[in-house]
Amino acid sequence: GAGVSQSPRYKVAKRGQDVALRCDPISGHVSLFWYQQALGQGPEFLTYFQNEAQLDKSGLPSDRFFAERPEGSVSTLKIQRTQQEDSAVYLCASSQLTGGTVNTEAFFGQGTRLTVV
Amino acid sequence: GENVEQHPSTLSVQEGDSAVIKCTYSDSASNYFPWYKQELGKRPQLIIDIRSNVGEKKDQRIAVTLNKTAKHFSLHITETQPEDSAVYFCAASKGGADGLTFGKGTHLIIQP
Repeated sequence: GAGVSQSPRYKVAKRGQDVALRCDPISGHVSLFWYQQALGQGPEFLTYFQNEAQLDKSGLPSDRFFAERPEGSVSTLKIQRTQQEDSAVYLCASSQLTGGTVNTEAFFGQGTRLTVV
Repeated sequence: GENVEQHPSTLSVQEGDSAVIKCTYSDSASNYFPWYKQELGKRPQLIIDIRSNVGEKKDQRIAVTLNKTAKHFSLHITETQPEDSAVYFCAASKGGADGLTFGKGTHLIIQP
């Protein structure tokens, strides 16, 4: 596809239910980021992958949050035993990696809006 | 860690006037400063970015300025149009594997 694709677009979960959110990055993009965006706020960093390696997971809010990217392309963000405070839009972004400290543009998916009831 | 402050939270301007949004950052190691536009229910889209080796960058009606000494950067939109109405986010990063730290956003409203 031409851009970053996320599914599902919307997810309603009952409190205590486990959810899995999927991200298909742009083909060939080495870097993949997950962000959490609460209503009326800016996105907040959750975790970063370089290919299949999870290099930074410092933003994950609790051990109920788990992310993987086993083959270095598609990534899944899993939230166990969901709670109301997990309600937010979860954004995935991918970018090329040029090495060193140089950033390239991060392309965002449309996000998954998670509502925990 | 990095902290990015963004002002104002809401900005209303008359169509055709200019709009300025300001951000400050705390980590002097940050070297990449993108601006994203997000329309309601849509994905953030990059509109312009600047790296710390330049002080100003312009793309048609949009310009960004960076003051590394003061650790602040600004977005300037001239000749505003109704389609400029959206939420704008500034962000900062140290590059490479470092994720973006976003400001809280500015809701720009263009009055006809």
